[in-house]
Amino acid sequence: AQSVTQPDIHITVSEGASLELRCNYSYGATPYLFWYVQSPGQGLQLLLKYFSGDTLVQGIKGFEAEFKRSQSSFNLRKPSVHWSDAAEYFCAANDYKLSFGAGTTVTVRA
Amino acid sequence: EAGVAQSPRYKIIEKRQSVAFWCNPISGHATLYWYQQILGQGPKLLIQFQNNGVVDDSQLPKDRFSAERLKGVDSTLKIQPAKLEDSAVYLCASSLTTAPTYNEQFFGPGTRLTVL
Repeated sequence: AQSVTQPDIHITVSEGASLELRCNYSYGATPYLFWYVQSPGQGLQLLLKYFSGDTLVQGIKGFEAEFKRSQSSFNLRKPSVHWSDAAEYFCAANDYKLSFGAGTTVTVRA
Repeated sequence: EAGVAQSPRYKIIEKRQSVAFWCNPISGHATLYWYQQILGQGPKLLIQFQNNGVVDDSQLPKDRFSAERLKGVDSTLKIQPAKLEDSAVYLCASSLTTAPTYNEQFFGPGTRLTVL
C-alpha cells in the first residue's frame, strides 16, 4: 500500500543547531513530495515541494529538502534552527491525492 | 489575498449530538478538500470537491458524515450523530485545480472538535 513514513515522532534541538527530519515514501512511481509545517492552533503551511529536476529543493524559512530516489527519501533540513521553528512537521506525497505522514514534533531549547 | 476561512474554531458537543463546520475557500479555487486530523496523526482526506461535484469521498464515513458544496464555493461538513472517536481537528483546504502538477493546497486554521 502507498504510504508516507516519518520515523521520528519527536525531535529536540538546541537553538542554532542543525535540524534534519526524515521522510520515506512507498509508492509504485515517484509521487510529488511536500513538506508542511503546522504551528499550534494554525493550519498547515507549505514549506517546499518536489515535482522533478534538481534533487535539492529550497523552501521558505531557510528550509531545504533532498530527494533521494534510491532511498525513497525526502529529508528536510535546516542549518541553524530558531526558536520559532518549534512546530509539527508533516511530509506528504501526492499521486492522485495528498497523503500525509504522522508528523514529527520539533522542540527547540534555548 | 484572503486565505481559507473556517468556522467555528472550536466546538464541544456530547456524543450523539450533531455538529456542522463551515469552510470558505480562496476565491477562484475550484477544488475544496476536507481533512480529519486525529491527535498524533497526519491529516486524512475525507472528501474532495471539484466545483460542486464530489471527486473522492472514499474515506468519508457516510453513515454519519455528510458534506456539500452548493454553488461551488462554500462548503459544509456535518456529523450526525457524533461519536467519541470523531474528536479531531477538521481542516479545510482549497486549490486552483486537481492536476497534481499544480496541486498546491492552501489550508484553513481548522476546527477543533471535542466529543464528550
